[in-house]
Amino acid sequence: DTAVSQTPKYLVTQMGNDKSIKCEQNLGHDTMYWYKQDSKKFLKIMFSYNNKELIINETVPNRFSPKSPDKAHLNLHINSLELGDSAVYFCASSTVPNEQFFGPGTRLTVL
Amino acid sequence: QKEVEQNSGPLSVPEGAIASLNCTYSDRGSQSFFWYRQYSGKSPELIMFIYSNGDKEDGRFTAQLNKASQYVSLLIRDSQPSDSATYLCAVTRPGGGSQGNLIFGKGTKLSVKP
Repeated sequence: DTAVSQTPKYLVTQMGNDKSIKCEQNLGHDTMYWYKQDSKKFLKIMFSYNNKELIINETVPNRFSPKSPDKAHLNLHINSLELGDSAVYFCASSTVPNEQFFGPGTRLTVL
Repeated sequence: QKEVEQNSGPLSVPEGAIASLNCTYSDRGSQSFFWYRQYSGKSPELIMFIYSNGDKEDGRFTAQLNKASQYVSLLIRDSQPSDSATYLCAVTRPGGGSQGNLIFGKGTKLSVKP
């Protein structure tokens, strides 16, 4: 009965690998987001999708590609992982613009 | 100039006191303002939002907004040790086509001492 869920919770991988993080929300929200929180705890938006369409794409390297198969899911695929990609990645969703509910986060460690 | 600024703290208050958390923002066109609480190792949790100048109260929490001064604050009355967390201020980035585009401050760490 979790509102916004993410898998996996932890992800440890080598530089150069490709990995995906999955996000699902059962709140019936139209908009979903991906955020990155770095080691200094700064939370920054990466992508926003509304009804499966990309709305926001901040200055994120094109190694990051979001995919939204339906409005309840927003996955994040990362190619050619780099050390600097190590962070906690949060998925969020909202219905009323900006009142966002966050998932539990995925801690990515690139070795 | 940073878009959303907060004192990183730590802000230490005794149990039962009022904790006052402050945030300033740079873009006068920002319309919506949010306070999120984040416990260590957990995800941000929305606790207050405010859209109009003035005060908004919800239980022990009061959000205050002054658009002329580009200032938003959060007061926590009767602070409890369970309020110890990092408080993130978030502001919408104005402009069309940016639905849900929240800009977060770096957060203020609050510690409530028993």
